Amino acid sequence: KAGVTQTPRYLIKTRGQQVTLSCSPISGHRSVSWYQQTPGQGLQFLFEYFSETQRNKGNFPGRFSGRQFSNSRSEMNVSTLELGDSALYLCASSPQGNYGYTFGSGTRLTVV
Amino acid sequence: AQSVSQHNHHVILSEAASLELGCNYSYGGTVNLFWYVQYPGQHLQLLLKYFSGDPLVKGIKGFEAEFIKSKFSFNLRKPSVQWSDTAEYFCAVPFNTNAGKSTFGDGTTLTVKP
Repeated sequence: KAGVTQTPRYLIKTRGQQVTLSCSPISGHRSVSWYQQTPGQGLQFLFEYFSETQRNKGNFPGRFSGRQFSNSRSEMNVSTLELGDSALYLCASSPQGNYGYTFGSGTRLTVV
Repeated sequence: AQSVSQHNHHVILSEAASLELGCNYSYGGTVNLFWYVQYPGQHLQLLLKYFSGDPLVKGIKGFEAEFIKSKFSFNLRKPSVQWSDTAEYFCAVPFNTNAGKSTFGDGTTLTVKP
């Protein structure tokens, strides 16, 4: 079966702009979690969506938001981009959220 | 605060050497435990997981991990590493057992010399 698909793979944005990243989970997986991966901070949890509802949220500012659609696809949005938002953003899906993740390849965001 | 510690940041081994990567967590309740691996240029993959039962779990590619509740540890082992095991390894603990929010360790980079 198809894996977790994240689009786009690469993005270059300017400070102050906003960006939307997309994630299509494995078919049948209802939980979608987002992580930010950077060399200095490692993997940091952003939020989790389950059945279109945000079930958990990490310690990121309100500029980071997300949503999940009825087909379980998820998007995350970052507004007013800062240089420090440059990172690899990973989407992970799971049947119930705690059964272990299947990760996508990530979206590499560079803010200049 | 709930945390996950991986004490070895970078491990260098020769092929056929034995491997043990440490993972400790701080939480007194019931936990599920995971190890993920990220090979160069690839995405994170689930290596093995512990939910309950036998504390010694086996994963893919000959890896195993032992859950020692009294030590809050879940160390990853492999008796004989191969060059292809060169990767970054992450221990992860979803402290909320009902939701997809995991705390990851900082990762251990394993380099296996041929």
